[in-house]
Amino acid sequence: EAGVAQSPRYKIIEKRQSVAFWCNPISGHATLYWYQQILGQGPKLLIQFQNNGVVDDSQLPKDRFSAERLKGVDSTLKIQPAKLEDSAVYLCASSLVGRVTEAFFGQGTRLTVV
Amino acid sequence: GENVEQHPSTLSVQEGDSAVIKCTYSDSASNYFPWYKQELGKRPQLIIDIRSNVGEKKDQRIAVTLNKTAKHFSLHITETQPEDSAVYFCAASKPGNQFYFGTGTSLTVIP
Repeated sequence: EAGVAQSPRYKIIEKRQSVAFWCNPISGHATLYWYQQILGQGPKLLIQFQNNGVVDDSQLPKDRFSAERLKGVDSTLKIQPAKLEDSAVYLCASSLVGRVTEAFFGQGTRLTVV
Repeated sequence: GENVEQHPSTLSVQEGDSAVIKCTYSDSASNYFPWYKQELGKRPQLIIDIRSNVGEKKDQRIAVTLNKTAKHFSLHITETQPEDSAVYFCAASKPGNQFYFGTGTSLTVIP
């Protein structure tokens, strides 16, 4: 089966610029996650969707980060304006809803803010 | 929320020896505990998982144990090989599929 697709793989931007990441989950996976992984740390959940509704966005810095999943499939994560500390790998993951089961990860987008 | 702590942060073992990584969690509602392996520059991939109704699970050289009373679970890798070198993350999940990850253990297997 096809995996979780993310783009772009790499992005370098200057601070205060905007950036957007795209994610296409595994077909049929109603739950979609965005994680931030800073070098040397574990993934930190930014936002979790079930279909097109938000389940948890308690750790999303809402003054600069936003995410949407309008049709319950693809999702975009946006940062505006970016700060140096936003440099990280942004991982998208998806899972089936219902019985708790594993989350499948995409390759991630490595963001460097200079 | 949930707080997952993972130890050690780095671990070096000789090829053929065993490696053990330990995690604790705080929320008694957590009922699913996956372990992910992340090689440099690659995505985290599930290597083994355990549910709260099971105390131990084994898959070839990899095993996971769970102590619900103490709220801790461990990953055991036996007969380690150089290709086991990677960063390993534990996670805890509760109904609602919210995954909380540990801080990772960088395992190096020395040939």
